[in-house]
Amino acid sequence: DGGITQSPKYLFRKEGQNVTLSCEQNLNHDAMYWYRQDPGQGLRLIYYSQIVNDFQKGDIAEGYSVSREKKESFPLTVTSAQKNPTAFYLCASSNMGTKGNQPQHFGDGTRLSIL
Amino acid sequence: DQQVKQNSPSLSVQEGRISILNCDYTNSMFDYFLWYKKYPAEGPTFLISISSIKDKNEDGRFTVFLNKSAKHLSLHIVPSQPGDSAVYFCAASALTGANNLFFGTGTRLTVIP
Repeated sequence: DGGITQSPKYLFRKEGQNVTLSCEQNLNHDAMYWYRQDPGQGLRLIYYSQIVNDFQKGDIAEGYSVSREKKESFPLTVTSAQKNPTAFYLCASSNMGTKGNQPQHFGDGTRLSIL
Repeated sequence: DQQVKQNSPSLSVQEGRISILNCDYTNSMFDYFLWYKKYPAEGPTFLISISSIKDKNEDGRFTVFLNKSAKHLSLHIVPSQPGDSAVYFCAASALTGANNLFFGTGTRLTVIP
């Protein structure tokens, strides 16, 4: 089945520790995105990538880093510089349509908590 | 600054009746609008979209209406079913904006059997 796989589903981080969230897609989509959701809020964009080896900051990139070495993979690292990392993290992907925007399709998320 | 707003955090509707979820936006550059449905601990699922060249798009029980002059869109679900109970997010993007989505804060719909 085609889709987006995020792992792990739950992740715990100690203070001062970096952690990496995995996102893999087999939809052959060019673009991939990372969002963060906090309780009672909408999704906020952290980073996005439209092509391999290229990515741009979203609205809340501070304390996060990404890489896009392969089309199907877009891992997110939550660094120790992110002071409030507890949240639900969602990865998405989409085609980059030539005749307009395309819907983004989401994985099932990773919930990150601080120990 | 919240560019996409969903002012009703929750809505309850009887099974079989119409559910109307509303969304307002402030950025006049937005030209593509989407609705997503989300269950707890899962990712949002794409429901329906509309581009700014249309004022209505229908897909089965779901219809989205766009009023560009009022910068307002709505999602109608008819008839509502208990399985429709979820949080619904409105999202918007601009054609020139690399397909980045701006999300509202969501409306929790409860369909009462």
